[in-house]
Amino acid sequence: DVKVTQSSRYLVKRTGEKVFLECVQDMDHENMFWYRQDPGLGLRLIYFSYDVKMKEKGDIPEGYSVSREKKERFSLILESASTNQTSMYLCASSSPLAAPYEQYFGPGTRLTVT
Amino acid sequence: SQQGEEDPQALSIQEGENATMNCSYKTSINNLQWYRQNSGRGLVHLILIRSNEREKHSGRLRVTLDTSKKSSSLLITASRAADTASYFCATDQFTGANSKLTFGKGITLSVRP
Repeated sequence: DVKVTQSSRYLVKRTGEKVFLECVQDMDHENMFWYRQDPGLGLRLIYFSYDVKMKEKGDIPEGYSVSREKKERFSLILESASTNQTSMYLCASSSPLAAPYEQYFGPGTRLTVT
Repeated sequence: SQQGEEDPQALSIQEGENATMNCSYKTSINNLQWYRQNSGRGLVHLILIRSNEREKHSGRLRVTLDTSKKSSSLLITASRAADTASYFCATDQFTGANSKLTFGKGITLSVRP
């Protein structure tokens, strides 16, 4: 079974703090993704990565950065957390080389910035 | 920008009834996928339909795709209380390394026992 794990289920941080959200997948997938999910807005893509050390901006990259030093790990970084970054963060992985091309999701991290 | 738009936003049905959810999108696609999310959890893939397919079945799920209308529907037959969840359609414009999904806002399905 594919497993995507996220470092925390719940996280509370203060405004201005640097926040690291970690995601690890165990299926040797090439692609990894970070989304945020907000009520009424659905899932929005923040950043994605096609390979180690590769990153691409998604639809809402402002205020975020990412790091992918190893194939199985994709980190989302909030350089200076703000209250408008309070949200559910979802990590996903997929392999573009083999059907069925679906994305496998982690359980999510609910981040609250106070 | 949001590619998929689901309709209705919320649906409440009785156990045993069928649930039909619709999704419309704006640009050409390679495939369209449906996902389910139980409250406060990650998304789980349900079914994928390619742009050259018109209908696909998986257990109690039936998905259709009309590329001329840029729309898809997901039918859940003989619904159960355990089907209560949010459902998302997601479109993929590309294949291979460039593959990435654009999700709609989701449909909340409540199945009353």
